[in-house]
Amino acid sequence: AQTVTQSQPEMSVQEAETVTLSCTYDTSESDYYLFWYKQPPSRQMILVIRQEAYKQQNATENRFSVNFQKAAKSFSLKISDSQLGDAAMYFCAYRRTGNQFYFGTGTSLTVIP
Amino acid sequence: NAGVTQTPKFQVLKTGQSMTLQCAQDMNHEYMSWYRQDPGMGLRLIHYSVGAGITDQGEVPNGYNVSRSTTEDFPLRLLSAAPSQTSVYFCASSRLGQGISGANVLTFGAGSRLTVL
Repeated sequence: AQTVTQSQPEMSVQEAETVTLSCTYDTSESDYYLFWYKQPPSRQMILVIRQEAYKQQNATENRFSVNFQKAAKSFSLKISDSQLGDAAMYFCAYRRTGNQFYFGTGTSLTVIP
Repeated sequence: NAGVTQTPKFQVLKTGQSMTLQCAQDMNHEYMSWYRQDPGMGLRLIHYSVGAGITDQGEVPNGYNVSRSTTEDFPLRLLSAAPSQTSVYFCASSRLGQGISGANVLTFGAGSRLTVL
């Protein structure tokens, strides 16, 4: 079975600074997809960024970027120039062939003004 | 487009009562799924479906039933609610197939908070 591990239950960052959220996963597959979702207090799940495992280039979306290390099965999220609106729970997710998604336990990010 | 619509948003049940959480999507997605979210546990897959008439179990299926009679709807049934089923439930859908274009990524409903007393 696939597992996704987020070892940081809580993180904090000063506004305008950079923070990195960690995620590791376990799989025997070679073709899969990885995601970061954000859940603000509104509870809505919002896609932040996505990465195909066969692509070596790290995905970026504005202030959000990932560090994808396939051999190490690591998929960390870097948030640059942190803003108050970035405060949320962040979930790392793995999607296997067959479309099943597996989620980590989440990291609660606090942004300090 | 409404996306994924879940009802109700909040529900309080007594132990042993039954209820159905409704989920509807208007994006013609083949894949639909139900998750429960508990503190410190992340999102865990309950049941999923890859098309009308096809359902399968996820990680935590016990105590829940699903059916998929149409592409649009995927209700989750609790036949005899237990306090352990107190949780926030999410319905999510996506297209099937490879790739991670917008349509292949999970789109979530707003969630339903269920309390079982």
